[in-house]
Amino acid sequence: TQLLEQSPQFLSIQEGENLTVYCNSSSVFSSLQWYRQEPGEGPVLLVTVVTGGEVKKLKRLTFQFGDARKDSSLHITAAQPGDTGLYLCAGVVAPRKLIFGTGTRLQVFP
Amino acid sequence: NAGVTQTPKFQVLKTGQSMTLQCAQDMNHEYMSWYRQDPGMGLRLIHYSVGAGITDQGEVPNGYNVSRSTTEDFPLRLLSAAPSQTSVYFCASRRATEAFFGQGTRLTVV
Repeated sequence: TQLLEQSPQFLSIQEGENLTVYCNSSSVFSSLQWYRQEPGEGPVLLVTVVTGGEVKKLKRLTFQFGDARKDSSLHITAAQPGDTGLYLCAGVVAPRKLIFGTGTRLQVFP
Repeated sequence: NAGVTQTPKFQVLKTGQSMTLQCAQDMNHEYMSWYRQDPGMGLRLIHYSVGAGITDQGEVPNGYNVSRSTTEDFPLRLLSAAPSQTSVYFCASRRATEAFFGQGTRLTVV
């Protein structure tokens, strides 16, 4: 059983469209992170959200941490082909394990 | 500053063979971990270490051993490879909640 479930699993869209990726858990996290992974590479950290209700923006990417700190979302405005990749949420569970979500594979077509 | 270095990048093993995947980091991070990534999936934690001499099991530890004799190195050993261990393996070191990944080792067991 995955502690962090992401949806959708796959997303294929046209350039210019908006999209939202969700990361859900039944557990409370002190913080959640979002990573992006490109083919043949390891994941790279995009953002860490710490406070319930927090919203962080990174250019066209908006990240939100749920009020109860059990879920998070990633919204991309006007997606571009360069946004293509695997998006992973992650969080630390006791004792000090960093675990990852199931992943959302995004393909943006020109 | 090399970050996290994994070797080899590719490896083919026969069932029953043993091998060690190497991982080294030069960032003086106490926390290191090993993940496996199967097609279309996120990362699953195999083993992790919170410092030299300390290791613990992750989500999928069976068939793998680790040791941590120095802060810099965290090798992963497969004692008797099985086809189910065909995967891409990532090593990561962590500062606070941010993980830094190597480029991965693509392992095929035939």
